[in-house]
Amino acid sequence: NAGVTQTPKFQVLKTGQSMTLQCAQDMNHEYMSWYRQDPGMGLRLIHYSVGAGITDQGEVPNGYNVSRSTTEDFPLRLLSAAPSQTSVYFCASSYGLPAGGWNEQFFGPGTRLTVL
Amino acid sequence: KQEVTQIPAALSVPEGENLVLNCSFTDSAIYNLQWFRQDPGKGLTSLLLIQSSQREQTSGRLNASLDKSSGRSTLYIAASQPGDSATYLCAVRMDSNYQLIWGAGTKLIIKP
Repeated sequence: NAGVTQTPKFQVLKTGQSMTLQCAQDMNHEYMSWYRQDPGMGLRLIHYSVGAGITDQGEVPNGYNVSRSTTEDFPLRLLSAAPSQTSVYFCASSYGLPAGGWNEQFFGPGTRLTVL
Repeated sequence: KQEVTQIPAALSVPEGENLVLNCSFTDSAIYNLQWFRQDPGKGLTSLLLIQSSQREQTSGRLNASLDKSSGRSTLYIAASQPGDSATYLCAVRMDSNYQLIWGAGTKLIIKP
């Protein structure tokens, strides 16, 4: 298993540009999420999905868009990049428990994004 | 609103010492708690997951405990090694909620 993979590893954008961060997992996990990590702050949830076709907003969703057309893929779109979106972005996945609830989260290696 | 705190923010100890990292949370209605390790410039690696019904979990030199009533979890690292140097994060998942709530982490340095 490759686990959770993210591309690209590094990206530099100019203000106003748009791009998509890719995330894929091969563990058949229902739950996938996107976080951003900024210096001195904890991880903040951007968007999450509990299954194909189902997405919801997290703590800091503004300026980002997601879709979940398959179980495996959960891309994050920056609609019009701003310097405030300079951050490290992590994708994570986990599986549901038979009795309900969600188990251990697995993380991708991250994408380091700089917006000039 | 649940808040997760990790104190201290940084810790430096000599190699070979046993040490304890702390994680506290304000709302005891948690579903589970997870400890992670993050190396500089890297992603997060899951270390231990404790369900709300459990008191502790062990993996090798690591032992995590959970006391819901006092809102505390500790990560015990035995016989520390320079390779243990990393940032350690704890995160809680609330009952019937998909989201993890994160502490800011403790940066651990083990001096050879």
